[in-house]
Parts: sequence; structure tokens; C-alpha cells
Amino acid sequence: AQSVSQHNHHVILSEAASLELGCNYSYGGTVNLFWYVQYPGQHLQLLLKYFSGDPLVKGIKGFEAEFIKSKFSFNLRKPSVQWSDTAEYFCAVIPFSGGYNKLIFGAGTRLAVHP
Amino acid sequence: DAGVTQSPTHLIKTRGQQVTLRCSPKSGHDTVSWYQQALGQGPQFIFQYYEEEERQRGNFPDRFSGHQFPNYSSELNVNALLLGDSALYLCASSLASYRNTEAFFGQGTRLTVV
Repeated sequence: AQSVSQHNHHVILSEAASLELGCNYSYGGTVNLFWYVQYPGQHLQLLLKYFSGDPLVKGIKGFEAEFIKSKFSFNLRKPSVQWSDTAEYFCAVIPFSGGYNKLIFGAGTRLAVHP
Repeated sequence: DAGVTQSPTHLIKTRGQQVTLRCSPKSGHDTVSWYQQALGQGPQFIFQYYEEEERQRGNFPDRFSGHQFPNYSSELNVNALLLGDSALYLCASSLASYRNTEAFFGQGTRLTVV
């Protein structure tokens, strides 16, 4: 079955620390890849997306992610986190296995950034 | 430009009852998907509606049904509620393109079954 694994369920960082959140998916075909963020009390928002082309994609608020096809990975990075980055982060995949755009989400990583 | 709106925001129901949740998609979008997000988990795909028809379904029982109206808005119905149906229900809208499509999410409806 197609699935998405996020390696860290909870991450605690101090401001200015670097962030890397792992994401791996299980599907051998073409995929679209996403990172969504859910700030406390808010709806899911798109951080960044990969459809094709340059495997290093940049998103909003200084986030970036790298698609490594051989590793089925799409890790999220930020060089220096801020307190306002405290949120839950979800990796998601659309596997093109017959059509349509069903998102498959990982379980999420809850990030807490301390001042 | 209104984003995705869902109603109600919170709901408390008793086991065995039926519930209807509503979603208005982002302006210009024609496809609506519903997701269930249980506590501590990522959203799980329930089904997707396009042109008023269910065109893809996740691993959910027939107690979960939906509808899409000509104006692209959608309803999610759950019959014979179980305690395990307690979750945040998310609506996402998008365009019907097969590829390179981005989903926009609403705030969700928090359903509590007691």
C-alpha cells in the first residue's frame, strides 16, 4: 500500500537552530510531493510543492525541500528556525497510479521552537 | 477571494446519530475532497467529488457518503455514528487537472461523538 513516513513525531529546537524533517514515501512511480503546515488553531497551508524539474524546491518563510528520487525522500529544511515556526508539519504525496489527485499524508511532525 | 469554508466548526453528536458537514470550495475550484484527521494522525482521504459524482474513495465504510452540488459545494454525511468517528473533518478544494494540482484546505469541522 502507498504510504508516507515522517521520521520524527516531535522536535524541539531553540531559535536560530537548523531544522531538517524527514519524509519517505513508498511508491515507485511518478509522484507530486508536498509539505503542509498547520499553525495552532489554523487550517492546513501549503509550504512548498514539487511537481517536476529542479529537485530542490523553495517555499514560503525560508523553507526548502529536496526530492531524492533514489531514496524516495522529500526532506524539509530551514537553516534558522523562529519561534513563529512552532506548528505541525505534514508531508504528503500524490501518487499517479491511475488518475486523480488523492493526497496521502504522513502522521505529522510537531515542532516546538523555544525562544 | 474566499478560501475554503466549512460549517459547522464544532459539533457534538451521540452514538448512532447521523451528521452532515458542509464545504464551499475556493472560488474557481471544481473538485472537493474530504479527509478525516484523528488526533495525533495525518489526514486520511475519505473521497473526492467532481462533476457531482464521487470519483475516488478511500478506505472508509459506506456509512460515509457525500454529495456535490452544481455550484461545486459539497456535503459529507456520516450515518450510525461511532465513538471512533470523533475527528477533525477537513475539506480540500482543487482543480480537476490530473497533474500539478494544489489542494487548499478549510479550517475543518471538529466532530465529537459521545
